[in-house]
Amino acid sequence: VQLVESGGGVVQPGRSLRLSCAASGLSFSGHGMHWVRQAPGKGLEWVAVISSDGRDKQYADSVKGRFTISRDNSKNTLYLQMNSLRAEDTAVYYCAKMDCGGDCPRDYWGQGTLVTVSS
Amino acid sequence: DIVMTQSPLSLPVTLGQPASISCRSSQIFVHSDGNTYLHWFQQRPGQSPRRLIHKVSNRDSGVPDRFSGSGSGTDFTLKISRVEAEDIGVYYCLQATHWPWTFGQGTKVEVK
Repeated sequence: VQLVESGGGVVQPGRSLRLSCAASGLSFSGHGMHWVRQAPGKGLEWVAVISSDGRDKQYADSVKGRFTISRDNSKNTLYLQMNSLRAEDTAVYYCAKMDCGGDCPRDYWGQGTLVTVSS
Repeated sequence: DIVMTQSPLSLPVTLGQPASISCRSSQIFVHSDGNTYLHWFQQRPGQSPRRLIHKVSNRDSGVPDRFSGSGSGTDFTLKISRVEAEDIGVYYCLQATHWPWTFGQGTKVEVK
């Protein structure tokens, strides 16, 4: 199983960025997927989740209304559209499969992509 | 939102000795299915996190049995029976019952 994030970079405050997470080696369309971020030198912060079929989404209060999670199951790819970016959004963004239904299958995380919001 | 509070935030350990991390929640978070979705994650230096324990006390596949989780209500504990060098890193609890999911601040385990 591999989860590979891309799309990070340096962006000015107020601008937008879209992250992608390409999945391979797993039945992507069968699992809910998450974004988790980690500011430099700080702890983990859960950001958003999307259901396996893309219909249900939940967000952290800190990003609600600015970020949108989506997925394309035909491309085995997860997305995070980030608008109105702020300095406090600077972080490494991880995509992760960490559902825990039934017997709670093992989790998988990408290596992360760094987003830096700075003028 | 449910607030998860870990202690200590820094834990100097002696290799071969036990270690214990506490995680307390601001409220009980039992799911309607009867489970308490309290998980523990390990993040080694320079690596992505990985889950060690799910639903309070169940070790994930491949996790050494020196790791154990316990607790109920609002108090949870991760124990390492004998710390090994590969256990050095930061440990996080996660409340995954109610949206939004919330992590604890993290506990840094380092060699004394």
